[in-house]
Amino acid sequence: ETGVTQTPRHLVMGMTNKKSLKCEQHLGHNAMYWYKQSAKKPLELMFVYNFKEQTENNSVPSRFSPECPNSSHLFLHLHTLQPEDSALYLCASSQATSGGQAEQFFGPGTRLTVL
Amino acid sequence: KNEVEQSPQNLTAQEGEFITINCSYSVGISALHWLQQHPGGGIVSLFMLSSGKKKHGRLIATINIQEKHSSLHITASHPRDSAVYICAVSKAAGNKLTFGGGTRVLVKP
Repeated sequence: ETGVTQTPRHLVMGMTNKKSLKCEQHLGHNAMYWYKQSAKKPLELMFVYNFKEQTENNSVPSRFSPECPNSSHLFLHLHTLQPEDSALYLCASSQATSGGQAEQFFGPGTRLTVL
Repeated sequence: KNEVEQSPQNLTAQEGEFITINCSYSVGISALHWLQQHPGGGIVSLFMLSSGKKKHGRLIATINIQEKHSSLHITASHPRDSAVYICAVSKAAGNKLTFGGGTRVLVKP
């Protein structure tokens, strides 16, 4: 499989559930990202991992917990979410660079609905 | 005010027309990205540029660093170009992207 894959593609969960989103990249990159896209709002960065280390947490509530066990895999663990957390969650990867000039490759996203 | 502003928010064109989408930003950047998002959500990177002009097929992207402005042009537009086009900037340090609100383009046959 090539590129960036995300599972599941669709997820419906209750506010008391615990679920996880998975992202895998097959591009040999060493930086991975979680983004949130809510209806009628611009994409928002949530987390950045460089070489498995979290380098950015964009003031994300603790009910979202990321995990990066290696440079190819990224998880987003979800617990006690709110209906307003319903959104498209996108994963991306790139080469890690301090200069900010790395093209990012996006996965297809997980459409999350919180009931 | 958002750091990245796009215009127009929505655009409808007839097949074959020339389309221009504009992006203005207010921060120092290391690169500007143009992305395409089709219905269903998947995002594809079209261009990453830090100066001048890039061309890929019928798509052309330009950037003016002094004016903090970029444009994405679609020549001979086609219904398959219908998508949301998103401008994003990466700042001088790190890989963080800051996004514009997107331009929804509809090309009618």
